[in-house]
Formats: sequence, structure tokens, C-alpha cells
Amino acid sequence: GQNIDQPTEMTATEGAIVQINCTYQTSGFNGLFWYQQHAGEAPTFLSYNVLDGLEEKGRFSSFLSRSKGYSYLLLKELQMKDSASYLCAVRDSNYQLIWGAGTKLIIKP
Amino acid sequence: DVKVTQSSRYLVKRTGEKVFLECVQDMDHENMFWYRQDPGLGLRLIYFSYDVKMKEKGDIPEGYSVSREKKERFSLILESASTNQTSMYLCASSSGQPSGANVLTFGAGSRLTVL
Repeated sequence: GQNIDQPTEMTATEGAIVQINCTYQTSGFNGLFWYQQHAGEAPTFLSYNVLDGLEEKGRFSSFLSRSKGYSYLLLKELQMKDSASYLCAVRDSNYQLIWGAGTKLIIKP
Repeated sequence: DVKVTQSSRYLVKRTGEKVFLECVQDMDHENMFWYRQDPGLGLRLIYFSYDVKMKEKGDIPEGYSVSREKKERFSLILESASTNQTSMYLCASSSGQPSGANVLTFGAGSRLTVL
């Protein structure tokens, strides 16, 4: 079967750096997405990786290793507003998205 | 600035009732999707549509149907609501071919409780 694994919850301190991991086993691979979802709100797009390597976008970076079935989202200079759930999703060989259950990130002052 | 609008944020229905969840997008997107989101699970695709009057079953279509009569509107219908359909329902849209880096724009969600 297809599976996406992410930690359920993580805690970090304001101003610090946190890495949220995502491992996947899917039938084929056509890209990996990260979305952010604040409590009670819509998920919003953060990043897209289709080739191996690091994509940097301001305080957020996303890394992909296709051979290892692994990605991470790196958040730097954490702010209280970064408290949210982070959803990892992989597009499979049929171009359908398979979603992880999300990682709830708690930022403490 | 609202781009994907779901008509109801909170609904409470009784078992056996027919339920309509409406979704409208103003971005002229071809693709529209209905997901449900439950605690501890990833988003699960119910139905999707790549064009007007076109619909495709997702991973969990049982107990649901959809309608797409106009490009901007995608409706989810629960013919006879059951308690196991209590969930958060998310509508999303995107443009372009499914093989592209098309990003989903989500609505704020409709939280349905079936008693």
C-alpha cells in the first residue's frame, strides 16, 4: 500500500530552527508538496519538490531525496505564527496526491 | 481576496438527511476536488473533476455524489447522511494538467456533524 509518515507533533522554541521529516512509500513519484494549515483554517501551499535537493524560500526550505523516499521541511527563525500543522503530500504514478496525517508544530516563547 | 468559498462552515444534520455542501471558486480553475479530513488521518479524496460535467471517484466515494454543472461550482452531496460521515470537508481547486506542478487552493472547510 501507499504510505506517508510524519511525526504527529513537535515542539520548538521561538527563534530556533526545526526540521519536520516526511518519509514515503508510494507507487511511483511525481512530486512532493508541503502545505501549512493553521487550526480551523484552509491548508496553504508552502513548497514543491520534484528533483533531489534543497529548495529555499525565505525562512522555509524543503529537501527531497527520491532514492531514500524522504523529505524534510526546515523552518528557521521560528515565529509564534508558525504554530500550525504541516502536511506532506506525494503525487503518485497516477498523479493522485497521497497525504500524510500532518505534523502539529507547537512554538513556545 | 476569497478564492475558494465553501457555503457552510458548520452544519449539524440528522441521520438519513440529504446534505449539500457547496463550493465556489473565482480563479477560473479547471480542476476541483472534495476531501475529508479526520484526526490522525491524511486528507482523503472523495471525488474530483477536471472539467464541467465531468467527475471521477476518489479513494472514498461511497455514500457521496457530486455535481459540476458550472466551471466555478462543485457540489458534494450526501444522499443519506450517516454518523460516520461526521468530518471536516475541504474543497480545493487547481489549474493546469494534473502532471504539472499545480498547486491546490483550499476553501476554509465545512465541519459536518451527523447526529
